[in-house]
Amino acid sequence: SAVISQKPSRDICQRGTSLTIQCQVDSQVTMMFWYRQQPGQSLTLIATANQGSEATYESGFVIDKFPISRPNLTFSTLTVSNMSPEDSSIYLCSVMGGSYEQYFGPGTRLTVT
Amino acid sequence: AQRVTQPEKLLSVFKGAPVELKCNYSYSGSPELFWYVQYSRQRLQLLLRHISRESIKGFTADLNKGETSFHLKKPFAQEEDSAMYYCALKGGGFKTIFGAGTRLFVKA
Repeated sequence: SAVISQKPSRDICQRGTSLTIQCQVDSQVTMMFWYRQQPGQSLTLIATANQGSEATYESGFVIDKFPISRPNLTFSTLTVSNMSPEDSSIYLCSVMGGSYEQYFGPGTRLTVT
Repeated sequence: AQRVTQPEKLLSVFKGAPVELKCNYSYSGSPELFWYVQYSRQRLQLLLRHISRESIKGFTADLNKGETSFHLKKPFAQEEDSAMYYCALKGGGFKTIFGAGTRLFVKA
């Protein structure tokens, strides 16, 4: 298993600003995943972040809006840029275990006003 | 296309009653299927995976390839089972697709 922490746990931001979310894992992992969970909806994968390469974004998500860094095997950041109220959501960091199961961070609850 | 369908948004049962949370999937290959659970104020966590054929907290789930289903069952629901349950599918690659989730409410 993996233990994942995220910062901040929650934030309230004004539209047009940006927020960077940090994700720290207690062990080295090849891939880290960023998900969004909008109110009352399921998890949607934003991107997969590999160390040393560009993140791979899912359809509907672009690097300019959600830039991701992956400087080493235990850390990643997701930035939500030029925020609008539609970006209000819970953002989750996760890693994959040896049997393809996912381990999740506690999430970052973002409210954009 | 890969898809996971959980037809019930909310399921309410009485304590001690059997519970079944439905999950159907769409995938052309051999899927890896999981159930995740999120208790109030806790993070999302793995409940069980089809490949290990285990029983966790009294819950079991059987993969039925003919019906493309992976329903989660428990013979006697407990109040502490009240939570949000997500069925998930890992198909090709490393991407996991989650269903919309079912909120289980177990009444005393």
